[in-house]
Amino acid sequence: NAGVTQTPKFRILKIGQSMTLQCAQDMNHNYMYWYRQDPGMGLKLIYYSVGAGITDKGEVPNGYNVSRSTTEDFPLRLELAAPSQTSVYFCASSLAGINEQFFGPGTRLTVL
Amino acid sequence: KNEVEQSPQNLTAQEGEFITINCSYSVGISALHWLQQHPGGGIVSLFMLSSGKKKHGRLIATINIQEKHSSLHITASHPRDSAVYICAVKGNTPLVFGKGTRLSVIA
Repeated sequence: NAGVTQTPKFRILKIGQSMTLQCAQDMNHNYMYWYRQDPGMGLKLIYYSVGAGITDKGEVPNGYNVSRSTTEDFPLRLELAAPSQTSVYFCASSLAGINEQFFGPGTRLTVL
Repeated sequence: KNEVEQSPQNLTAQEGEFITINCSYSVGISALHWLQQHPGGGIVSLFMLSSGKKKHGRLIATINIQEKHSSLHITASHPRDSAVYICAVKGNTPLVFGKGTRLSVIA
């Protein structure tokens, strides 16, 4: 099993550009999450999904969108990138809400 | 919203020392997680517990539900234990994370 995979690993965007961060898991987990990690801060939840077709906002959803058309994939879309979105983004999955979460390797995004 | 506080923020230890990292939270929870973030950035789950104590190798995690407090202990610390250790709590909302404790173990 590959676990949770994320692409790309690194990306530099210009202000106003858009991009999609890809996340996939092969563990047949129902729950998937997107977090951002800023220096010196704890992980913050952006969006999460409890199953295909179901998504919900987390603590910091502004400027992002998600979709969950399959169990395996949970892409995160950034529209009109802003410097405040410079961060490391982690995708994670779990079998259910109370189970341990498995994390992807992260995507380091810089917006200039 | 649950507030999660970890202490200390930074910790430097000599190889072989016994290490304790603390986590306190403000609202009742159903489970508490301890995670490890390697210097390269990867995050792995160490423990998930809702009561008592769990042990895995040289790592021990305890939780006191009444006092809303958990500790992570590392026995016989080694330089490879150098990492950021993160506490996260699960209540009625998705996980809320602490800011982490940065541990450096010196040979």
